[in-house]
Amino acid sequence: AQSVTQPDIHITVSEGASLELRCNYSYGATPYLFWYVQSPGQGLQLLLKYFSGDTLVQGIKGFEAEFKRSQSSFNLRKPSVHWSDAAEYFCAVVGSSASKIIFGSGTRLSIRP
Amino acid sequence: DAGVIQSPRHEVTEMGQEVTLRCKPISGHNSLFWYRQTMMRGLELLIYFNNNVPIDDSGMPEDRFSAKMPNASFSTLKIQPSEPRDSAVYFCASSGGEASGRNEQYFGPGTRLTVT
Repeated sequence: AQSVTQPDIHITVSEGASLELRCNYSYGATPYLFWYVQSPGQGLQLLLKYFSGDTLVQGIKGFEAEFKRSQSSFNLRKPSVHWSDAAEYFCAVVGSSASKIIFGSGTRLSIRP
Repeated sequence: DAGVIQSPRHEVTEMGQEVTLRCKPISGHNSLFWYRQTMMRGLELLIYFNNNVPIDDSGMPEDRFSAKMPNASFSTLKIQPSEPRDSAVYFCASSGGEASGRNEQYFGPGTRLTVT
């Protein structure tokens, strides 16, 4: 069965510091992978997606993620965070023949001034 | 495109009352999803439709919950009777169509439901 694990419930980083949010997935074939961001009081917004090809994908707001099949990971990175990046981040996976997305439990990011 | 539209944005009701949440998906999308989000349980998929047909309703908590999609541009989620434990933010999302990538979902702003 498909599953997504986000091992970090809450992370705090200083403004201007680099960020890496972890995501591990479980899926038998090549998955479709997503990162979503949810700002307080808002819906989920798609940051980036991986379907195939280049394993390093670029997204909006300066985020990127790298698909590593050998580690079943799809970690989200940003070289320098801004206070506006404080939000909840969700990793998600879906099989190629399915419509339903499986979401991770989310990682809450706080930014230290 | 206006994106996924949900109404109302906020709903406060008393226990036992019927609540109806509404969703208009992005035009051309053929899949629609209803989610519930709470602090305790996180984001839960309640039900989803493909081409207006319910495909998986295993997430619907109990018979008090029902969802319909009478046409490609409208869906409702109804709770009757409502209970305080139904208080949550309910999201609608849609996917499919040429403009979106395969399977990525676009979320509405949510309806914050409070049942007193």
